[in-house]
Amino acid sequence: GNSVTQMEGPVTLSEEAFLTINCTYTATGYPSLFWYVQYPGEGLQLLLKATKADDKGSNKGFEATYRKETTSFHLEKGSVQVSDSAVYFCALRLQQSNTGNQFYFGTGTSLTVIP
Amino acid sequence: DAGITQSPRHKVTETGTPVTLRCHQTENHRYMYWYRQDPGHGLRLIHYSYGVKDTDKGEVSDGYSVSRSKTEDFLLTLESATSSQTSVYFCAIREGQSYGYTFGSGTRLTVV
Repeated sequence: GNSVTQMEGPVTLSEEAFLTINCTYTATGYPSLFWYVQYPGEGLQLLLKATKADDKGSNKGFEATYRKETTSFHLEKGSVQVSDSAVYFCALRLQQSNTGNQFYFGTGTSLTVIP
Repeated sequence: DAGITQSPRHKVTETGTPVTLRCHQTENHRYMYWYRQDPGHGLRLIHYSYGVKDTDKGEVSDGYSVSRSKTEDFLLTLESATSSQTSVYFCAIREGQSYGYTFGSGTRLTVV
């Protein structure tokens, strides 16, 4: 089946620390991969995406590389800020049929950045 | 901005009562989705729609029904609410083939 596994949180880091949130996937076919971010009290927002192997998605200092050989899409940021505190979701999307795509989400990783 | 609005934002209801949540979009997108978000489960798909009157079940559809009588509105109904349906519900739309989904701000539903 299709699934996404991401590292369990919560993760607590000091400001300017390096961030890695691991994400691996299982999929039939050739998925697109996404990271979403959810700030407190809000819906999910697209952070970055990659649509094929070896693509690197990047946004707001965050990066993730689509690694087909290890079925991974780890999220990284070199220097986190307090404003990065949020819940991060890894997701994959497969083309199911002509009735629409479907997403599969990980369980989310809560990040808290302390000054 | 995709212009997606969910209502109500918060609701408390009693077990056994019917509840309808509304998702409204302003940009004529074909695909709309309802998810529920629960700790330890992430987001799980309840139902989705690929056009007016065209809907299909997701992985956790039991106890829920949906309707889409016009493009802009996608309604999620709990016919007889149970405590296990206490959750945060998110509506999403798909803006294009190469994009991810855009999510609404969510509805926090508590069934007491």
